[in-house]
Amino acid sequence: QVQLHESGPGLVKPSETLSLTCTVSGASINAYYWSWIRQPPGEGLEWIGYIYYGGNTKYNPSLKSRGTISVDTSKNQFSLRLTSLTAADTAVYYCARGLFFEPWGQGTRVTVSS
Amino acid sequence: EIVLTQSPDFQSVAPQEKVTITCRASQDIGDTLHWYQQKPDQSPKLLIKYASQSISGVPSRFSGSGSGTDFTLTINSLEAEDAAVYYCHQSNSLPWTFGQGTKVEIK
Repeated sequence: QVQLHESGPGLVKPSETLSLTCTVSGASINAYYWSWIRQPPGEGLEWIGYIYYGGNTKYNPSLKSRGTISVDTSKNQFSLRLTSLTAADTAVYYCARGLFFEPWGQGTRVTVSS
Repeated sequence: EIVLTQSPDFQSVAPQEKVTITCRASQDIGDTLHWYQQKPDQSPKLLIKYASQSISGVPSRFSGSGSGTDFTLTINSLEAEDAAVYYCHQSNSLPWTFGQGTKVEIK
């Protein structure tokens, strides 16, 4: 059974950098697409980007080049780094596998506030 | 960017009735359209992949159809546990996008 678990700080200050990690169990990180997706409070879902086998990455242009996704194969983890945070980045952040997202992590809530 | 427009935004339906949610894509996406269910305070859950392919463990009352630009999620015989927000998602071209969601309430 494949499981994903997000971890990271719950509160980050404006203009700072957010770092989140998704730990994968039950599947190798060396296969599949691995995505980050976010959901602002009371709103819909937004795909942030993915990392694919070999470290290939693609991002949503809406991030304006603020996001970086990386992988640590030794720990079977992938990470999201998001710079220059504003209140608009406040959201629940999910990690998920595949071209169709299955499974998802439980989500981690991130609040951007001073 | 491919825009996915769902309709309706909200639907209130009695138990055992049929629910139909549509998702229209701004350009042809073939069958690369997937459906998710999100219950309050939970992660989304995959219901249907590639427009009409069923997912193991998902009740058979959930079905999908369509191709190109017009897609439909159908819930036959609605149950109380189906109260949720439903999203469509396309993986045809980057950036991957979601519909705005359809909230289904049980009358």
